[in-house]
Amino acid sequence: GENVEQHPSTLSVQEGDSAVIKCTYSDSASNYFPWYKQELGKRPQLIIDIRSNVGEKKDQRIAVTLNKTAKHFSLHITETQPEDSAVYFCAASITGGSYIPTFGRGTSLIVHP
Amino acid sequence: EPEVTQTPSHQVTQMGQEVILRCVPISNHLYFYWYRQILGQKVEFLVSFYNNEISEKSEIFDDQFSVERPDGSNFTLKIRSTKLEDSAMYFCASMSGQNTGELFFGEGSRLTVL
Repeated sequence: GENVEQHPSTLSVQEGDSAVIKCTYSDSASNYFPWYKQELGKRPQLIIDIRSNVGEKKDQRIAVTLNKTAKHFSLHITETQPEDSAVYFCAASITGGSYIPTFGRGTSLIVHP
Repeated sequence: EPEVTQTPSHQVTQMGQEVILRCVPISNHLYFYWYRQILGQKVEFLVSFYNNEISEKSEIFDDQFSVERPDGSNFTLKIRSTKLEDSAMYFCASMSGQNTGELFFGEGSRLTVL
């Protein structure tokens, strides 16, 4: 089955800095890679996703890159703000058939004002 | 905006007791999931449910676990005889269609087994 590794487990940055979270996956058939943000005490929510037919996707201050050859994908947050502080989860899946997203361990991002 | 709701938010139980965790998925969604997260560890897949039956389950989902959708709205996870290692946050999620990809999560039910 799919295995997703996520690094780092904790990331501490100063407000305004950039943050990068990296994930690797094992199943070359995976074609959909969502990122979820979980604020303290709240539910995980999708913030951005990327499909295997593109290499990069951007939405305001967040961007995701995908390298299919190396089987890794990354979340980039620029100009971080305190409200970006949360746990971020990456996932990998194969859409269609039995759709079972496999999640990474999560990264706790702390943005210091 | 429709949300997935879970109850209880926190349950404390004695080892060996039965526990039922409840979820109300978003009403027009077709796919339902239970995941769990032991403190500090990965979010782990337990089971998926589609068309009123289990579509996939992980090796964690042994005979002690069961799911059902008794009334077309609630989606429940039952643990028959809880063990200490069942202590975790249990997340329910639903998805509207197979190719959309986005899971909508509930806020989780924290289970503590003493």
